[in-house]
Amino acid sequence: DAGVTQSPTHLIKTRGQQVTLRCSPKSGHDTVSWYQQALGQGPQFIFQYYEEEERQRGNFPDRFSGHQFPNYSSELNVNALLLGDSALYLCASSLDRRMRDTQYFGPGTRLTVL
Amino acid sequence: LAKTTQPISMDSYEGQEVNITCSHNNIATNDYITWYQQFPSQGPRFIIQGYKTKVTNEVASLFIPADRKSSTLSLPRVSLSDTAVYYCLVDSNYQLIWGAGTKLIIKP
Repeated sequence: DAGVTQSPTHLIKTRGQQVTLRCSPKSGHDTVSWYQQALGQGPQFIFQYYEEEERQRGNFPDRFSGHQFPNYSSELNVNALLLGDSALYLCASSLDRRMRDTQYFGPGTRLTVL
Repeated sequence: LAKTTQPISMDSYEGQEVNITCSHNNIATNDYITWYQQFPSQGPRFIIQGYKTKVTNEVASLFIPADRKSSTLSLPRVSLSDTAVYYCLVDSNYQLIWGAGTKLIIKP
């Protein structure tokens, strides 16, 4: 049983470009959350998707958007990239969107903005 | 939203018991406390979750006093492979608030 998978592993973009990151949740999980983790810091919650809708959102600008597909996989899109968007982007899936249940994290996508 | 405070770093030795305390003064009645472990260049991994008193699983114990303003993660008999960053989280209103975590270094 595959856990949470993310693609790509690494990505290099330049300022102003757009990027799409992908996540496949653990089998049986229907809730996907996205996090941004800057070097040396804890993950920061971006948003959560459940039933193909954004249910919760952290303190991130509208440049960050997402989507969830009927098979529960998800995408994170970031427009007009800034240098400060360089980070590890983590996807987590769970059975319970109230966070009562364990979240399973993927290995992350390392985004570098030049 | 409840915020957490943890020591920035801790050192210990193989075979010792390690206790990491987290402060969460404004925790709400329905909030749970969760701990995660993260190795470099990997996603965090769930360790344990609790609401009150004591919870124990195969890898750790979690102690939560009656006022719930703090919690302590206890790792019995640590090994070198327990060197990682440990995060204490409180789930508030469907969100998990992450602090900077505690960098735990285990020495031989």
